[in-house]
Amino acid sequence: DAGITQSPRHKVTETGTPVTLRCHQTENHRYMYWYRQDPGHGLRLIHYSYGVKDTDKGEVSDGYSVSRSKTEDFLLTLESATSSQTSVYFCAISERPGGLSPEQYFGPGTRLTVT
Amino acid sequence: AQTVTQSQPEMSVQEAETVTLSCTYDTSENNYYLFWYKQPPSRQMILVIRQEAYKQQNATENRFSVNFQKAAKSFSLKISDSQLGDTAMYFCAPLYNNNDMRFGAGTRLTVKP
Repeated sequence: DAGITQSPRHKVTETGTPVTLRCHQTENHRYMYWYRQDPGHGLRLIHYSYGVKDTDKGEVSDGYSVSRSKTEDFLLTLESATSSQTSVYFCAISERPGGLSPEQYFGPGTRLTVT
Repeated sequence: AQTVTQSQPEMSVQEAETVTLSCTYDTSENNYYLFWYKQPPSRQMILVIRQEAYKQQNATENRFSVNFQKAAKSFSLKISDSQLGDTAMYFCAPLYNNNDMRFGAGTRLTVKP
């Protein structure tokens, strides 16, 4: 298994509070991704990073921000959580998306509930 | 929109039998990758198999194989000799422009003893 951890694994928070989810990898992969998984939608890309301090938006980026100050850590922040952000959040990593190793490997997920 | 359609929300198969999961996708891209991921009740996303769009040969990985029809934009997964451990949600996922991975809604597969 790829060395990817996510913290926390479960979180319950109230509407309007800020929340930060952390993804940590030990594989030294350049690319990191945040997805959310909701019933009936599969996974949808929120943001991704292609290097330290280099990030870009995905399909469902509204209401989320990310930061990457070190290769191994990728943070996802909900500035003011809403009930529509209740979901399971997955982090993924990739070594060379455009090359011989385009696969993405996923962390264990974080279940976030916004009440 | 680059949609991914998995037309079978649920399927079941007897242990040791063969089952095929369907996937179609819509894209104007010419070069891309295709993946099948498995998600067991543990929630972990596990890579099953990958296919490069520029390769005509269908990928195989032990009991798992694909039928890739590029012109039809179809990418089905065949599981042979099904095992109880294959029970899971299966997601079809094309990867476009290196970082844009799209997922279908999934097919829930149950392997019956």
